[in-house]
Amino acid sequence: NAGVTQTPKFQVLKTGQSMTLQCAQDMNHNSMYWYRQDPGMGLRLIYYSASEGTTDKGEVPNGYNVSRLNKREFSLRLESAAPSQTSVYFCASSTRGQGVSNQPQHFGDGTRLSIL
Amino acid sequence: GIQVEQSPPDLILQEGANSTLRCNFSDSVNNLQWFHQNPWGQLINLFYIPSGTKQNGRLSATTVATERYSLLYISSSQTTDSGVYFCAVKTSYDKVIFGPGTSLSVIP
Repeated sequence: NAGVTQTPKFQVLKTGQSMTLQCAQDMNHNSMYWYRQDPGMGLRLIYYSASEGTTDKGEVPNGYNVSRLNKREFSLRLESAAPSQTSVYFCASSTRGQGVSNQPQHFGDGTRLSIL
Repeated sequence: GIQVEQSPPDLILQEGANSTLRCNFSDSVNNLQWFHQNPWGQLINLFYIPSGTKQNGRLSATTVATERYSLLYISSSQTTDSGVYFCAVKTSYDKVIFGPGTSLSVIP
């Protein structure tokens, strides 16, 4: 049972380069999330997708795009990387709904991204 | 949007001591979770507690949704409890927002 899988685990980019972070979950969850965590700080929501085919902005969406490719996969794209985007990126998933149908978030192990 | 605050921001404990961490949120929420981020950066789910009280070993949590706060209790702390503790709340739109965290250091 893999849970939430993120690739790659580490990446170094030059300013201006583009890349896509991949995330896949095998728990049949409806909702998926992308967060960034800067050193010594909490997690900030970049984008989330409450269901297949929908995406919404979080707290810090500027400079990022997302694609909910299908129910399993949610990718995060940096079109023109900037040093300010150096961070650890976490993907998470959960079921949608309230009460007993709602379950906690499950997280991947993170992608450590450095932009020079 | 909803605001999530945690206190204290930093905490240093002697091994064996007890502590209480607090999470306040500014609006009604569907769910609340407590996480521990270990020194390797992994996020470990501690409690999923939209309301009421839960216990798991030396840890317990209480959420009073009507008063918009949650408490995490750590008893008989151990060095392995060190790390950062986050609360995260889920809104009615399925948006999940994290608090800034409490950094805990347990010293022998």
